[in-house]
Amino acid sequence: DSGVTQTPKHLITATGQRVTLRCSPRSGDLSVYWYQQSLDQGLQFLIQYYNGEERAKGNILERFSAQQFPDLHSELNLSSLELGDSALYFCASSVEMGTYNEQFFGPGTRLTVL
Amino acid sequence: GDSVTQMEGPVTLSEEAFLTINCTYTATGYPSLFWYVQYPGEGLQLLLKATKADDKGSNKGFEATYRKETTSFHLEKGSVQVSDSAVYFCALSGNYGGSQGNLIFGKGTKLSVKP
Repeated sequence: DSGVTQTPKHLITATGQRVTLRCSPRSGDLSVYWYQQSLDQGLQFLIQYYNGEERAKGNILERFSAQQFPDLHSELNLSSLELGDSALYFCASSVEMGTYNEQFFGPGTRLTVL
Repeated sequence: GDSVTQMEGPVTLSEEAFLTINCTYTATGYPSLFWYVQYPGEGLQLLLKATKADDKGSNKGFEATYRKETTSFHLEKGSVQVSDSAVYFCALSGNYGGSQGNLIFGKGTKLSVKP
């Protein structure tokens, strides 16, 4: 158990809908990262927050957004869903930002768009 | 931009065989390098890491050496077990101005170990 929790574990929805994925980092970790794992694209970095502020963006679509709240939990919002958004979404946390900090991954949320 | 290339497999070995999974990278500056492992139905776990050239990361019998001259970070284990069956990901984290520590992953290598 990494100490990072993600809810829900599974999510099934229809095209055009909007969903919210939730992540609670390990106690004391200030940095939260979101990654998408799909069969065709592999594991891709989406976005990072540090202590409530957005710090880095990767291959995140404009239909996707995220935020980190004062209690440090984070939410990833996916809207106008398409079939291609079906994937496993991971959240990871680390104590600080930067190259040397180990990231601890949650178990993921599996999103299926029908 | 930065990238990681690893052998995609799948790799099937018998128990106690020697394992090598190749990983090479392209990066600005001096990145940190990682191997993560993903067991079926689980999230990723850090297996080992190296933060500078010639560093050797090791854990649970696995080793990898950061080779700057060949831009490689190959994963090795002398004697695999059935319990090592998983998907292994090579990853880097950039070490340059503006880098915030996000990971860039290879495609992953699925390892199956037969008894």
